[in-house]
Amino acid sequence: AQTVTQSQPEMSVQEAETVTLSCTYDTSESDYYLFWYKQPPSRQMILVIRQEAYKQQNATENRFSVNFQKAAKSFSLKISDSQLGDAAMYFCAYRSAWTGTASKLTFGTGTRLQVTL
Amino acid sequence: DAGVTQSPTHLIKTRGQHVTLRCSPISGHKSVSWYQQVLGQGPQFIFQYYEKEERGRGNFPDRFSARQFPNYSSELNVNALLLGDSALYLCASSFGWPENTEAFFGQGTRLTVV
Repeated sequence: AQTVTQSQPEMSVQEAETVTLSCTYDTSESDYYLFWYKQPPSRQMILVIRQEAYKQQNATENRFSVNFQKAAKSFSLKISDSQLGDAAMYFCAYRSAWTGTASKLTFGTGTRLQVTL
Repeated sequence: DAGVTQSPTHLIKTRGQHVTLRCSPISGHKSVSWYQQVLGQGPQFIFQYYEKEERGRGNFPDRFSARQFPNYSSELNVNALLLGDSALYLCASSFGWPENTEAFFGQGTRLTVV
């Protein structure tokens, strides 16, 4: 079974600064997808960024980028130029690429990000 | 277009009762998945339905059941409620299965069992 670990329960960053959230995972599969989701107080999970394991290039989405280290099974999220609206719970998630199984997401326990003025 | 809608938003039930949670996927999406998110934890997969058939089940007791209707909406049922069933229940819809399509989440139903 796959597991996802987020070792930082809480992080804080000043507005306009950069912060990195850590995530490690364990799997015996070679093909999979990794995600970062944001959950604001409104509770709705919002996809921030996605990485396909077969792609060596790190994914980027505007101010959000990842550092994907497949051999180390590490998948960190970097938020640049942090904004007050970035304050939320951030979850790292894994999904198998094998088509013979449910498209289930396995989530970590989350990191609460605070953004201060 | 409306996103994933869940009802009700909040619910309080007594131990031993039964509850039904509802989810309407994004128009055109045929797959619905259910997740349980206990306070302070990440969501845990409960079920996936696609084209009205169960495609996957997580490690939950038989008190949990679900179904998907011809219009692709879905219900999650929980019988004999326990205090530990108190959680945020999230529904996610996606266009297809098993092909790789993005999951979109609703705002969840907050269930409190007293």
